[in-house]
Amino acid sequence: KAGVTQTPRYLIKTRGQQVTLSCSPISGHRSVSWYQQTPGQGLQFLFEYFSETQRNKGNFPGRFSGRQFSNSRSEMNVSTLELGDSALYLCASSSKADTQYFGPGTRLTVL
Amino acid sequence: EDQVTQSPEALRLQEGESSSLNCSYTVSGLRGLFWYRQDPGKGPEFLFTLYSAGEEKEKERLKATLTKKESFLHITAPKPEDSATYLCAVHPNNAGNMLTFGGGTRLMVKP
Repeated sequence: KAGVTQTPRYLIKTRGQQVTLSCSPISGHRSVSWYQQTPGQGLQFLFEYFSETQRNKGNFPGRFSGRQFSNSRSEMNVSTLELGDSALYLCASSSKADTQYFGPGTRLTVL
Repeated sequence: EDQVTQSPEALRLQEGESSSLNCSYTVSGLRGLFWYRQDPGKGPEFLFTLYSAGEEKEKERLKATLTKKESFLHITAPKPEDSATYLCAVHPNNAGNMLTFGGGTRLMVKP
């Protein structure tokens, strides 16, 4: 089975812009979760989608949003980018409320 | 609030020198505890899931154990290719697929 894929792998944006990241889960997995990883804060949960519905949301501002499509693919969007949004954004998928398998991540740099 | 603390933050070992990594946690109700390995610039790679105190799991040179307050990742006779950051995460009850991660232990194994 193919693993979790994320596109793009690298992104460079400037402050004030917006960005959309994409995640394709493992085939058959219906839950997709997003995490932000930074050197200072580590891995922090952003939100989770299951069957196109947001099931959980972490403690992030409303500039961070996401959605899930009927084929379980998910996108996350960050509007009005700030320097502090520079991070590795990780997507994870799971078949039920169980083991989450992570993708390679998207490295976002905000200048 | 769920909390996960990993120690030490960094660990240097000689090849063949066995040691243990610690993960202390507080959670209202534990559904599962996960161990992941992360190489630089990559997404976390799943290692183990532990569900109840007293449970143990092994994979090659790694063995994970769980008590009501801690988990240990024992590394027996490590090799340089075991060098990575090891992450511990708790999966609380009634939280969908939201994981709370510790800060990780950066392991360096010298030949």
